[in-house]
Amino acid sequence: NAGVTQTPKFRVLKTGQSMTLLCAQDMNHEYMYWYRQDPGMGLRLIHYSVGEGTTAKGEVPDGYNVSRLKKQNFLLGLESAAPSQTSVYFCASSTRGGTSVSYEQYFGPGTRLTVT
Amino acid sequence: RKEVEQDPGPFNVPEGATVAFNCTYSNSASQSFFWYRQDCRKEPKLLMSVYSSGNEDGRFTAQLNRASQYISLLIRDSKLSDSATYLCVVNMGTGGFKTIFGAGTRLFVKA
Repeated sequence: NAGVTQTPKFRVLKTGQSMTLLCAQDMNHEYMYWYRQDPGMGLRLIHYSVGEGTTAKGEVPDGYNVSRLKKQNFLLGLESAAPSQTSVYFCASSTRGGTSVSYEQYFGPGTRLTVT
Repeated sequence: RKEVEQDPGPFNVPEGATVAFNCTYSNSASQSFFWYRQDCRKEPKLLMSVYSSGNEDGRFTAQLNRASQYISLLIRDSKLSDSATYLCVVNMGTGGFKTIFGAGTRLFVKA
């Protein structure tokens, strides 16, 4: 049981290049999320998904796209990277909230992205 | 005003000390509360949920004050291994997409 995995772990891009970050979870979780973490700031939600085939925007979606073609995978795309997208990206997953709002998000190990 | 605010620290304490962190939240409709721990260059991991009546897990005690809109984390008998950043997390609805993470409080425990 690997939990949540992310690839790649590190990446350096030049401005204008594109890339896709892959997140996979083996816990059969319905919900998946992409966050970015910058120094001095909390984790900020980029996009999220409440189930296979559905995605929605979070707090900071501009410049990113996502897809969830399979329940276990959630992809984050940068079409034209900018220096402002230099950050650590974390994927997470969780079970449905349901009527109980107390649930845990499980995070992947993160991807450190630098855009020059 | 930030939706979730924490003292960034750092808190520098000796082994065996008791240390407390507070976190305030702005949305009175917030429904669930958590403390996560994040080690340097690692992912956040759930430390404990925070219940209305307060709850304890070994050396860790979490409290919630809805009237004043703050939660707290108390660590007793600090260990070197407690050195980490502690994230206050507030959820305003089901599903996780209304979850707000604080920027974290850094703790250094020294021998």
